[in-house]
Formats: sequence, structure tokens, C-alpha cells
Amino acid sequence: QKEVEQDPGPLSVPEGAIVSLNCTYSNSAFQYFMWYRQYSRKGPELLMYTYSSGNKEDGRFTAQVDKSSKYISLFIRDSQPSDSATYLCAMRTAGGGNKLTFGTGTQLKVEL
Amino acid sequence: KAGVTQTPRYLIKTRGQQVTLSCSPISGHRSVSWYQQTPGQGLQFLFEYFSETQRNKGNFPGRFSGRQFSNSRSEMNVSTLELGDSALYLCASSPELTGGEQYFGPGTRLTVT
Repeated sequence: QKEVEQDPGPLSVPEGAIVSLNCTYSNSAFQYFMWYRQYSRKGPELLMYTYSSGNKEDGRFTAQVDKSSKYISLFIRDSQPSDSATYLCAMRTAGGGNKLTFGTGTQLKVEL
Repeated sequence: KAGVTQTPRYLIKTRGQQVTLSCSPISGHRSVSWYQQTPGQGLQFLFEYFSETQRNKGNFPGRFSGRQFSNSRSEMNVSTLELGDSALYLCASSPELTGGEQYFGPGTRLTVT
């Protein structure tokens, strides 16, 4: 079993929809949680960075972390065709340097 | 600030050859990490360097090695290339050893024939 599980999709939604992306993890030592967006043949782009449990909002994006359930989410409001990409969750322990453990990524397509 | 840069962007090598990839971190960032991305395994951590010292190592064979220079630029080397080494190699930089945000470069796409 992988340390971080993520539904690979693909997920197809109409423009303007609210998108919910999720990851579960098994390592309770994970303390830092990130969401990256990756367009085809590009490097991952950092979207959200959170520490421990709670919510964080940035524009149309909201990240939620529930450490008691070992579950993190990314919500995208008013989705746009330009949001079509692969979304990767990543996480890190407090004492493990900058080593990130990634989910497999969810492919999202926002259709007109 | 300029982002993380990686050179070359594309590379084609033959089995048995060796290859060196280069990464220049964001100015002021002292931590550089390397990852391998393949369709089957996703993104996997290779190693991390901070202040010219390897701080973390992933579960890859010894054919994969790296180093960091005093200006924080980093190189990774893969010797005796195998077909399975074909992948996108990504470099990420962070200002701190831990707790900082990591920013990725565009990657080097390596094809081994």
C-alpha cells in the first residue's frame, strides 16, 4: 500500500463547477501538506502549502487538512478551462528535510 | 526572481552511457532536491542537498548520484543508463532545510534508447 493515495481520475467537470480533489495518507508523521498543479510536459507548480490541520484559502482555491482522518482536500471554485491539468498532493514530515511524498495525481478536465 | 532552471531540457542517450543533468535553484535557496517522474511510478524522491551536503536519499540504486556546489547549483549523474531510466527528472529548490516551500523547475526529459 502506498503512503499517499490519490484517485487518478480523469475527472471531467463543466466550466464554473466546484471541484473537489482528495488524498488520503497512512503516515501520521506527515506535518506539511502541499498541492501542486502540473500541465502537460511542464514542472509542478506550487498552489497551496499548509502546516498541520485546518483550512487555507487563496483566491479560488481552498486547502483542507484533517489529520485525525489522514485526509486532505483541495477545492477549486468557479473552475475554468485553464484549470485543466494534473493535480498532485504532496506531504512531508517535520524532521525529514525537504523530502516530499507525492500522490499519483488526479487528471482534471474543465469543459466549456 | 528567476525560477528554478534545468539544463538540458531534453536528452536522448543510449543504454550503457552516462548522463549529467544540471539545476540552478532560485536565488537565495540553499536546498535542492531531485525527483524522477514516470507514468508508472509517479514522482519519486531521489536525493536532497543542502549546503553542499547530501541530507536525504531515496530508494534508488547507486547509479544515481548527485552533488551541490558552493553557489547552490546542483548536478545529478546517472551512470550505465538503462531503458527504465527514461523519465522526467525534476529539480526543486527551497530556502530552508525543512519547513520551507519547494518550487520545481521545468524538468529534463531523458529518453534512453
